[in-house]
Amino acid sequence: QVQLQESGPGLVKPSQTLSLTCTVSGGSISSGSDYWSWIRQPAGKGLEWIGRIYTSGTTNYNPALKSRVTISVDTSKNQFSLRLSSVTAADTAVYYCARAGYSGYEGYMDVWGKGTTVTVSS
Amino acid sequence: QSALTQPASVSGSPGQSITISCTGTSSDVGGYNYVSWYQQHPGKAPKLMIYDVSNRPSGVSNRFSGSKSGNTASLTISGLQAEDEADYYCSSYTNSGTLGMFGGGTKLTVL
Repeated sequence: QVQLQESGPGLVKPSQTLSLTCTVSGGSISSGSDYWSWIRQPAGKGLEWIGRIYTSGTTNYNPALKSRVTISVDTSKNQFSLRLSSVTAADTAVYYCARAGYSGYEGYMDVWGKGTTVTVSS
Repeated sequence: QSALTQPASVSGSPGQSITISCTGTSSDVGGYNYVSWYQQHPGKAPKLMIYDVSNRPSGVSNRFSGSKSGNTASLTISGLQAEDEADYYCSSYTNSGTLGMFGGGTKLTVL
């Protein structure tokens, strides 16, 4: 079955750009009608949806983060990526990638990565 | 602050039933049936438990059920078990432009 794995630096300096990659295994990122999403969770807090990308390249972003977020897909590598610019300590969180589109609705996320912790600190 | 309101915590004893509420507006929960619930154990990724208000993905126990009345959706867990102790998040479609909205989460404690 499809599995997701996040990767990237665990420590990012303030004002720099956070970059994470999600590798999809067990299936093709460009098959079906799936959306590929990023969600984050600060320690001890709730889930915050960051954005998603469709295999066509269409993206949707959380309005609160839109000016700093870019999500892209590399079908040749079966990966999708997150870039978050101008980070601050408030961006410190566990970042999850997830597959969305369960039952035909882009808001249902049925496969998740294990998450990766990113700390923003000098 | 989340636009979907959940109680911060609920508790119950093994074998009992508990209900977690998720209150929104007519622009989200009340107006559409795209309501879902996620379970998250400490240190783990969330797991989809309920979609389309009341449907269970394959493999999810039938002890979990969902419903909706007006602007409030509910998740009920019957025959509570120790393994049900986790955080639960609701999510809903909204026509307000705020994509991917989650509730603030509810911590379930099994006494």
